[in-house]
Amino acid sequence: EIVLAQSPGTLSLSPGERATLSCRASQDVRSNYLAWYQLKPGQAPRLLIYGASNRATGIPDRFSGSGSGTDFTLTISRLEPEDFAVYSCQQYVRSPYTFGQGTKLEI
Amino acid sequence: QVTLKESGPGLVKPTQTLTLTCTLSGFSLSAGGVRVSWIRQSPGKALEWLARIDWDDDKVYSSSLMTRLTISKGTSDNQVVLTMTNMDPVDTGTYYCARSGLALYNYFDSWGPGTPVTVSS
Repeated sequence: EIVLAQSPGTLSLSPGERATLSCRASQDVRSNYLAWYQLKPGQAPRLLIYGASNRATGIPDRFSGSGSGTDFTLTISRLEPEDFAVYSCQQYVRSPYTFGQGTKLEI
Repeated sequence: QVTLKESGPGLVKPTQTLTLTCTLSGFSLSAGGVRVSWIRQSPGKALEWLARIDWDDDKVYSSSLMTRLTISKGTSDNQVVLTMTNMDPVDTGTYYCARSGLALYNYFDSWGPGTPVTVSS
């Protein structure tokens, strides 16, 4: 099973600032089969990034993903108030499809 | 518009069997390449993938839970049913269904809002 470790656990920033979230895999994530999701209470999780660096449909360009192999990053260039949420990475190389424990982005 | 919606009993007693239904709209599980998974999140824990069913009825389960899980198509191609036996309080959480595709499209591009499940006597 591929274990994903996200850091930091909590990130405290202000609107307008830049957020950098990390996801490290215990094994090589072949073909960059890594996705990022935004989680808000009471809402459906939202796909942000797939293939490590591809924005999903309708995702603003302030969200970007990078990385390969075992180290991946989600960057939010200029935080908007609606961006404060939990972010989770996920590998879909093979089952079990595992998720990181999440980074909480708070004001 | 693609939507998924979970439904379930909300509260189950320990040792009982949980049955959840995911209703699909805007797409069909009979379409080639379509997959639907169940994923849960227990309080304070990471999302946990549970099981997947494909358009061709192929099924894959989490190895840690496979003895307790059954995923199946419902009475129509727009429903996916998950049963989990021998429920325990540690199974309390929010259960989601989500759509994915094949290979490089195997990420979860659409999710339901989730249904809460509490296991308590």
